[in-house]
Amino acid sequence: AQTVTQSQPEMSVQEAETVTLSCTYDTSESDYYLFWYKQPPSRQMILVIRQEAYKQQNATENRFSVNFQKAAKSFSLKISDSQLGDAAMYFCAYDSNYQLIWGAGTKLIIKP
Amino acid sequence: DSGVTQTPKHLITATGQRVTLRCSPRSGDLSVYWYQQSLDQGLQFLIQYYNGEERAKGNILERFSAQQFPDLHSELNLSSLELGDSALYFCASSVMGDEQFFGPGTRLTVL
Repeated sequence: AQTVTQSQPEMSVQEAETVTLSCTYDTSESDYYLFWYKQPPSRQMILVIRQEAYKQQNATENRFSVNFQKAAKSFSLKISDSQLGDAAMYFCAYDSNYQLIWGAGTKLIIKP
Repeated sequence: DSGVTQTPKHLITATGQRVTLRCSPRSGDLSVYWYQQSLDQGLQFLIQYYNGEERAKGNILERFSAQQFPDLHSELNLSSLELGDSALYFCASSVMGDEQFFGPGTRLTVL
């Protein structure tokens, strides 16, 4: 069965600095999708970025980028120029036959 | 705003009761997914419907059931409620099997 592990329950970063959130997963499939979702205090689940496993190029979305290492089954999220609005829970998720398997989440704190 | 709507936003009820949560997907999306987010078990996939038919089933209890109607809205029915069913229930939708867009969730409190 697929599993997703986020080993950092909480991370903090100074405003304007860069932070990297870790995620590892376990699967025997060769083609799949990986996602990072953000959940602010409002509890809304917001898609930050997605990566298709067959694409070697790492996905980027403005200040957010991923480091996708397929062989190592690693999918980390880098947030550059951290802003106060980035404070939230961040969840890594794996798409397994159209159902998302979730990590436990990382709470990101932004220090002003 | 993701375009996915869920009602009600909050629901408070007693143990043993039955409730219905409603979800309207984004216009054009045929797939609806239900997830449960609880403090002790994190986020869990419950069930998926595609164009009215059940497509995938996750950790959904037998006391829970769902359906998707011809107009594509979906309902999640929770019966014989227990304290442990208190959670945030999310609905998400997608065109088929790609990116899922989440609704604001329904917070269920069972007293």
